[in-house]
Amino acid sequence: ELKVEQNPLFLSMQEGKNYTIYCNYSTTSDRLYWYRQDPGKSLESLFVLLSNGAVKQEGRLMASLDTKARLSTLHITAAVHDLSATYFCAGDNNDMRFGAGTRLTVKP
Amino acid sequence: EAGVAQSPRYKIIEKRQSVAFWCNPISGHATLYWYQQILGQGPKLLIQFQNNGVVDDSQLPKDRFSAERLKGVDSTLKIQPAKLEDSAVYLCASSLGGNTIYFGEGSWLTVV
Repeated sequence: ELKVEQNPLFLSMQEGKNYTIYCNYSTTSDRLYWYRQDPGKSLESLFVLLSNGAVKQEGRLMASLDTKARLSTLHITAAVHDLSATYFCAGDNNDMRFGAGTRLTVKP
Repeated sequence: EAGVAQSPRYKIIEKRQSVAFWCNPISGHATLYWYQQILGQGPKLLIQFQNNGVVDDSQLPKDRFSAERLKGVDSTLKIQPAKLEDSAVYLCASSLGGNTIYFGEGSWLTVV
């Protein structure tokens, strides 16, 4: 059974700083997803990573995938307050399993 | 393009009562998912449909939860009888070909 672990679970950072969220998964995963969830809202798809070495960037967020290490990272560059949300990674091995989420707070 | 539609958005019921949630996926999406998200946790897959067939329901508590997808389009998730621990957001999602998965706004259930 695929298990997905994220760390940190809580992250408070200053605007302008950089940080990385880590996502480890236990078995082979066909693809790796990153989602954003704002309080009281549904999940918004950020990235879908399909192959080893895949890197995708959107604005201040960059996601990468290392299938050999079973590790995906979500890197935040020069954080701004609007990035405050909970970020989930999810692996897919015939069914999608989510991590517990990283609750990010960006402070001015 | 219309997104995944869910109703009702909010429901409060007493324990041992029953409740049903409805989902209309994005047009043409063959795969439909129901997830349960308890406050402070990641979503947990309850059931996955491919058209009107069940792909995975291994985490569905079948003694009280049931789901169907009539004609491979809309889906209904039912809980009977509800327990306090069923309080959660029930998220419906759909996908075309298994890459990007689109989530609905969710149905918030409180069992008192």
